Amino acid sequence: TAGITQAPTSQILAAGRSMTLRCTQDMRHNAMYWYRQDLGLGLRLIHYSNTAGTTGKGEVPDGYSVSRANTDDFPLTLASAVPSQTSVYFCASSDVGQGAPGTQYFGPGTRLTVL
Amino acid sequence: SQQGEEDPQALSIQEGENATMNCSYKTSINNLQWYRQNSGRGLVHLILIRSNEREKHSGRLRVTLDTSKKSSSLLITASRAADTASYFCATDALSYNQGGKLIFGQGTELSVKP
Repeated sequence: TAGITQAPTSQILAAGRSMTLRCTQDMRHNAMYWYRQDLGLGLRLIHYSNTAGTTGKGEVPDGYSVSRANTDDFPLTLASAVPSQTSVYFCASSDVGQGAPGTQYFGPGTRLTVL
Repeated sequence: SQQGEEDPQALSIQEGENATMNCSYKTSINNLQWYRQNSGRGLVHLILIRSNEREKHSGRLRVTLDTSKKSSSLLITASRAADTASYFCATDALSYNQGGKLIFGQGTELSVKP
């Protein structure tokens, strides 16, 4: 079982360009999340999705958009990248529901540098 | 603002010693989880303690939870060099509990020297 995969592993992007970070899970989890991790700030939630077809804003959603067309995929799009979006991005999923504690499973991350 | 605050920010010990990391949070919770992150990797779930539990063990890990003080501690006994990693607490605050969202602390960076 692959768990969660993310692509690309790393990317250098020119400011103003758009980019989509891909995330796929094979655990049939209903909930998925995108975080960014910056030194000294820990993990901050960007967007989340409780189930296919629904999304919600996290702590730092500005400049990012997501979609959840199906259970497995949760892409994160930067429409017009800025240098402050330089970060490591982690996708996670969890099985949330009655009796499920919401343990999250993380992908390996995408290291993005915006110049 | 961060729900979880961790202490210390960094901890350096010798192999065989015990490591204790603390986490404080602000609002009522359903459960508190601890995660580990090796350098350059994603987070891995270690242990979960529910709000009605006070202590939980898993191998060399011992977690305590004091809901009256809104704090938790993670103890790693007989540490090994392979335990070197960053450790994060995460809470699903009751007021934030939509879709299992978690709020992570800033982490404790543990270094275990051989």
